Amino acid sequence: DSGVTQTPKHLITATGQRVTLRCSPRSGDLSVYWYQQSLDQGLQFLIQYYNGEERAKGNILERFSAQQFPDLHSELNLSSLELGDSALYFCASSPPQGVYGYTFGSGTRLTVV
Amino acid sequence: GQQLNQSPQSMFIQEGEDVSMNCTSSSIFNTWLWYKQEPGEGPVLLIALYKAGELTSNGRLTAQFGITRKDSFLNISASIPSDVGIYFCAGQGDSGGSNYKLTFGKGTLLTVNP
Repeated sequence: DSGVTQTPKHLITATGQRVTLRCSPRSGDLSVYWYQQSLDQGLQFLIQYYNGEERAKGNILERFSAQQFPDLHSELNLSSLELGDSALYFCASSPPQGVYGYTFGSGTRLTVV
Repeated sequence: GQQLNQSPQSMFIQEGEDVSMNCTSSSIFNTWLWYKQEPGEGPVLLIALYKAGELTSNGRLTAQFGITRKDSFLNISASIPSDVGIYFCAGQGDSGGSNYKLTFGKGTLLTVNP
């Protein structure tokens, strides 16, 4: 157990739908990062939150949004889902100093049918 | 944007053999990290490198931070079946403040035949 908790582990939904992925960071970590992993694109950075504020944005589609709540858990919202959104979505967290790399959760496997 | 070129894409080796993989970048990174991902799990940090030229070991794993800060390699000695997985390199730049975004290579899939 890495200490980063992601739910749900698996999600199957239809095109056009909206889903919410949840992440609880390790105790003491203030930063949360979301990554998308697909077979052809590898691990793609989506967005980072630090202590409730957005700090960096990567290749995140406009149909996707995220937030970090006061208790530091984070949610990634994916809407108007397309078949191509099927992927593994990972959340990671890092301590305030951030220089020791991330700790990843086990991921949410999203399948859009 | 920053991109990491990781090679080889995949390796098939016999148990007991040594393995070497590397990453290169067109950008300078202040930190290089190596992760391993097993099926159904998230990447797990193996080694972190913080200084140019630094050589760090973790058991049978050895990694080096290139002197130009644009490359890194990972060696695994005397491979065993549980070394199977995808190995990722990642670079972390100095963006200041609290932005510690990692840029990942596309991974090296390692298969070890017992």
